[in-house]
Amino acid sequence: AQSVTQLGSHVSVSEGALVLLRCNYSSSVPPYLFWYVQYPNQGLQLLLKYTSAATLVKGINGFEAEFKKSETSFHLTKPSAHMSDAAEYFCAVSAGAAGNKLTFGGGTRVLVKP
Amino acid sequence: GAGVSQSPSNKVTEKGKDVELRCDPISGHTALYWYRQSLGQGLEFLIYFQGNSAPDKSGLPSDRFSAERTGGSVSTLTIQRTQQEDSAVYLCASSLSSGGGSTEAFFGQGTRLTVV
Repeated sequence: AQSVTQLGSHVSVSEGALVLLRCNYSSSVPPYLFWYVQYPNQGLQLLLKYTSAATLVKGINGFEAEFKKSETSFHLTKPSAHMSDAAEYFCAVSAGAAGNKLTFGGGTRVLVKP
Repeated sequence: GAGVSQSPSNKVTEKGKDVELRCDPISGHTALYWYRQSLGQGLEFLIYFQGNSAPDKSGLPSDRFSAERTGGSVSTLTIQRTQQEDSAVYLCASSLSSGGGSTEAFFGQGTRLTVV
């Protein structure tokens, strides 16, 4: 079984500041990990994914995440926040045998202050 | 179309009525998923179709929920005798294959269901 915990349901950052969204996972098998973003009244869009290749994964819109097996973490970062980054972010895990059935964290809503 | 299409985008129904939600996946995608997004429960997996295999129904919350996928393409999620707790956004996603769990799933914009 898999589970995902996202620390902080809401994060407020200033424009230009570092964005750090925390994600910890639990999985009985080597996981595949994903970050999705959801803008208001939209579906989910993939930001990036970890699939056992490089542990530092670069995604769209300047986001990146680092897989740390020892910490069972997959935190998402962006060096400089932009107003357009205001959205809800979801970390998710899937296990190969279960196909792409995703288990999501509770989500973190990001507010960007000018 | 270019993406996953869901209809209707919004649905208001009376408690006790049946509703059908439709999903048109991306052409050629063999895997199709339904998720539910609600304030109290976050994003929950409901059901997963992969090609001609038996669907994974492990996430369906009750026997009032059912889904089918005709011809390996369009899927319909049916909720019978709707209850107020069924109010949520129902998201459909598709992917090229199960890909061992690593393939990107593309999501539709969802159907917002309100049971009054």
